[in-house]
Amino acid sequence: EDQVTQSPEALRLQEGESSSLNCSYTVSGLRGLFWYRQDPGKGPEFLFTLYSAGEEKEKERLKATLTKKESFLHITAPKPEDSATYLCAGAMKTSYDKVIFGPGTSLSVIP
Amino acid sequence: DVKVTQSSRYLVKRTGEKVFLECVQDMDHENMFWYRQDPGLGLRLIYFSYDVKMKEKGDIPEGYSVSREKKERFSLILESASTNQTSMYLCASTNSYSTDTQYFGPGTRLTVL
Repeated sequence: EDQVTQSPEALRLQEGESSSLNCSYTVSGLRGLFWYRQDPGKGPEFLFTLYSAGEEKEKERLKATLTKKESFLHITAPKPEDSATYLCAGAMKTSYDKVIFGPGTSLSVIP
Repeated sequence: DVKVTQSSRYLVKRTGEKVFLECVQDMDHENMFWYRQDPGLGLRLIYFSYDVKMKEKGDIPEGYSVSREKKERFSLILESASTNQTSMYLCASTNSYSTDTQYFGPGTRLTVL
């Protein structure tokens, strides 16, 4: 069964304390692995797409990496404004653009 | 910038009512999606549409129907609302030739009493 899981469910960091969020996937024929940020009461906002193992992408304090079984979102020296829920999603190679979302990791960065 | 709008941010309905949720995108995207989001369950796909008047069931279509009469508009219909349909509903769209990014609307928080 195609599935995307994320860990931890919630993470509290002190400002400046670097850490990583994990996304594990079992998606047949993975076309792409996406990361989104979601603020409370709002829709998800796109961050990155990764296509192949070994690929990395960066944006400000965030860096996403991909292996054959999982993806990591590394947060370097986080700030309180990085507090949000981070969603991971896997896209399947099917006729349609079906995407499977993980449950998300809720990140809180304490000043 | 792509913009996806949803008709209501908050909605309160009674059990048995017919509920319409509307989504409009302004980027001429081919594909549109309706998800619901519940704590601990993530986003689950209800229905999607890859063209006008075309629709496909997602993972949890029971109790819902959809309508896509115009390319920019995708409606989700709850024929007879039930309390277990209380949720956050999110609409998204993608360009069929650039399926990397799903652009989401702000969401509708629906409460069924």
